[in-house]
Amino acid sequence: DVVMTQSPLSLPVTLGQPASISCRSSQSLVYSDGNTYLNWFQQRPGQSPRRLIYKVSNRDSGVPDRFSGSGSGTDFTLKISRVEAEDVGVYYCMQGLTFGGGTKVEIK
Amino acid sequence: QVQLVESGGGLVKPGGSLRLSCAASGFTFSDYYMSWIRQAPGKGLEWVSYISSSGSTIYYADSVKGRFTISRDNAKNSLYLQMNSLRAEDTAVYYCARREKYDILTGYYDYYYYMDVWGKGTTVTVSS
Repeated sequence: DVVMTQSPLSLPVTLGQPASISCRSSQSLVYSDGNTYLNWFQQRPGQSPRRLIYKVSNRDSGVPDRFSGSGSGTDFTLKISRVEAEDVGVYYCMQGLTFGGGTKVEIK
Repeated sequence: QVQLVESGGGLVKPGGSLRLSCAASGFTFSDYYMSWIRQAPGKGLEWVSYISSSGSTIYYADSVKGRFTISRDNAKNSLYLQMNSLRAEDTAVYYCARREKYDILTGYYDYYYYMDVWGKGTTVTVSS
């Protein structure tokens, strides 16, 4: 089974500063069709998860362009270029049936 | 608009049963695989089960295999999760979420839709 490891566990960030979350998988996520189905989700406090990024780097509709996804193979990154107060929450990477453990983003 | 609404959660004693429902609207329910994901208090997300668009393919996490049964009624645009022999560790918020779209004519799976819509969740508490 694929294991998804996120770091850091907790990420205190100053408003307006960048943030970066790492997600590493135990095996390559390149599917047989050549695509990499790595998704990122945001879960704000008290809300259900919301997909932000699909297939590594594609932003969902309505997602601010300060969010970006990158990576390949087994190493992936979610970046927030300038953190805003509404970005507080837990971020999860996911592939197939496996979620990462989550990274809690909070304001310093 | 596209919407999923879960219901059926509540407080149940260990060993008891509950049936969760997820009502879908705003899209052609019968075209999509569907899933249940849960989140224990203060914990991360865990897959519970998924079901294909026709209901012919089903997956269960090892933690619920033999106790939970997923099903769907495409005529009613509804997804279900029958939970039996409930344990304290099943206490969680249960979410339904849309998975990939399957075109029965072409056999094509469209993963653009993979986990793109979630419900607000329903809370299950297993306690004596």
